[in-house]
Amino acid sequence: DTAVSQTPKYLVTQMGNDKSIKCEQNLGHDTMYWYKQDSKKFLKIMFSYNNKELIINETVPNRFSPKSPDKAHLNLHINSLELGDSAVYFCASSQEASGRTDTQYFGPGTRLTVL
Amino acid sequence: AQSVAQPEDQVNVAEGNPLTVKCTYSVSGNPYLFWYVQYPNRGLQFLLKYITGDNLVKGSYGFEAEFNKSQTSFHLKKPSALVSDSALYFCAAKTGANNLFFGTGTRLTVIP
Repeated sequence: DTAVSQTPKYLVTQMGNDKSIKCEQNLGHDTMYWYKQDSKKFLKIMFSYNNKELIINETVPNRFSPKSPDKAHLNLHINSLELGDSAVYFCASSQEASGRTDTQYFGPGTRLTVL
Repeated sequence: AQSVAQPEDQVNVAEGNPLTVKCTYSVSGNPYLFWYVQYPNRGLQFLLKYITGDNLVKGSYGFEAEFNKSQTSFHLKKPSALVSDSALYFCAAKTGANNLFFGTGTRLTVIP
């Protein structure tokens, strides 16, 4: 059983397009996250979100927006895609954001290529 | 600023030999430390974490890590490396309710 799943696995698109990446977790967790991994494999938090609070990394452009239809889903919508958005995007979840010791569980990633 | 450093981009070790992947941290307050592994074209998998208590933490696949407060280190170790351990390893830290932040990763190659 897949704990954290993402679709699509690969996404190739043109500059200027709008795209979404979907994430679902079946762990019953309260908090979900989006990370960006660049070409040098550096991982950086973009958002953390639970049913109470959205925390945005201030370095993330406002073209990126998380959308959560319910507790088990956190989709990432990207407007006006740019070349620099090409990266692997990982979704993750944990029991709760305020749980200091909570382990985050990651999805398999979505490789986005902007042409 | 809080940070996690993995000083080695690449570690090579012969199969059967002990391996060490280094990690140091710089955080305010008591850190909670994690190791994750990323296999090619896969997401990150949790290996182990240090919260409190015994400085030696045992995790998945025979890995362990030692928390050293005086040296602000949390090195990952395994007594006998397997070829299947070849992957990208990330050290991560958080304090309190803050977000998890990662080191830059170390690529481990186990040579048959």
